[in-house]
Amino acid sequence: DAGVTQSPTHLIKTRGQQVTLRCSPISGHKSVSWYQQVLGQGPQFIFQYYEKEERGRGNFPDRFSARQFPNYSSELNVNALLLGDSALYLCASGTGKTGNTIYFGEGSWLTVV
Amino acid sequence: QQQVKQSPQSLIVQKGGIPIINCAYENTAFDYFPWYQQFPGKGPALLIAIRPDVSEKKEGRFTISFNKSAKQFSLHIMDSQPGDSATYFCAASMERGSTLGRLYFGRGTQLTVWP
Repeated sequence: DAGVTQSPTHLIKTRGQQVTLRCSPISGHKSVSWYQQVLGQGPQFIFQYYEKEERGRGNFPDRFSARQFPNYSSELNVNALLLGDSALYLCASGTGKTGNTIYFGEGSWLTVV
Repeated sequence: QQQVKQSPQSLIVQKGGIPIINCAYENTAFDYFPWYQQFPGKGPALLIAIRPDVSEKKEGRFTISFNKSAKQFSLHIMDSQPGDSATYFCAASMERGSTLGRLYFGRGTQLTVWP
């Protein structure tokens, strides 16, 4: 079975640009969450979507947005990129129900120059 | 503020040693405590997890000890191997309510196992 897949794996953007990251959850999983991991830190929660609706949002500015599609895949968008947005962006997949296990993808490395 | 506090920041042991990583939390609503292992350039991989109805869980060489009254939990790696060298993260989440499934991570422990 395929795990959580993310694309692209690496990308370089210029300050002020916009970026879209994509995630496909494990088959049968209806919950997708996004995390930002800065070098040397633990992942920080950005968004959670369940059944195509936003279930939670972390302490991130409005430049960050996301959505979940009918097939449960998801996109994370970041506008007006800042140097500080350089990080590993992780997608996590789960059933969204009590007792579920959360699995992570390999992440998308974003470098803002 | 950091909802899950993890220590030490780094740990070096000899092959065969038993590294211990500790985590503490304040929010008594947390009821699921996973540990993730992360190698450089990779996403976190679930290692082992525990729920507060048990005080210990073993899976292979990995053991979680859980102390509900102290709000602490720890990871022990038995007979550590050089291949265990990685960064380990503890996390906590609530299995009910609007934040179901949201993980709160510690800052991580970089483990190095010397051959």
